[in-house]
Amino acid sequence: EAQVTQNPRYLITVTGKKLTVTCSQNMNHEYMSWYRQDPGLGLRQIYYSMNVEVTDKGDVPEGYKVSRKEKRNFPLILESPSPNQTSLYFCASSFGLDEQFFGPGTRLTVL
Amino acid sequence: GENVEQHPSTLSVQEGDSAVIKCTYSDSASNYFPWYKQELGKRPQLIIDIRSNVGEKKDQRIAVTLNKTAKHFSLHITETQPEDSAVYFCAASIIQAGTALIFGKGTTLSVSS
Repeated sequence: EAQVTQNPRYLITVTGKKLTVTCSQNMNHEYMSWYRQDPGLGLRQIYYSMNVEVTDKGDVPEGYKVSRKEKRNFPLILESPSPNQTSLYFCASSFGLDEQFFGPGTRLTVL
Repeated sequence: GENVEQHPSTLSVQEGDSAVIKCTYSDSASNYFPWYKQELGKRPQLIIDIRSNVGEKKDQRIAVTLNKTAKHFSLHITETQPEDSAVYFCAASIIQAGTALIFGKGTTLSVSS
């Protein structure tokens, strides 16, 4: 089944404790991206990747890191999480830059 | 950079009525305009998209229109049904340039029966 998976789906952590949210797709998509969704603010892009080893900042990259060592995986890293990073995170992938397929989301709470 | 404004933020209609959601964009170079639907607790899913070389596109009860001169595009849902209740997001990007997909803030549509 073609899909985008994210792990974990829910995470509660404390300020400053490094965490990684994994994202994997099995559709051989070149393009992958991370979004955060906050009430009243819609979906804001954090980082995106056009292909392996190619990443670029989106609208709200501060406090986040990404890597793209393999085509199928695009992990999101929070080196020192803060409460303002409490949000719902979505990973997405696509062949080109048109229809994006979203993962199920990761709800992160930083205390 | 691109900025996408979406209105209204909430919309309530009776079943069978039409619903219209409007978006404006700032970058005249934008050429790809998708609409995503997000049901409660679910992930966003593409429902229709339009490219700048087309003025209108229809798919059953939904349609999107694009006015490049005025830099706005709209989603039209006819004969609304309760299952159309969701949050709808518009977005804009420049496909060839590989720019980020910029989303509007969303419209919560409620269809009452």
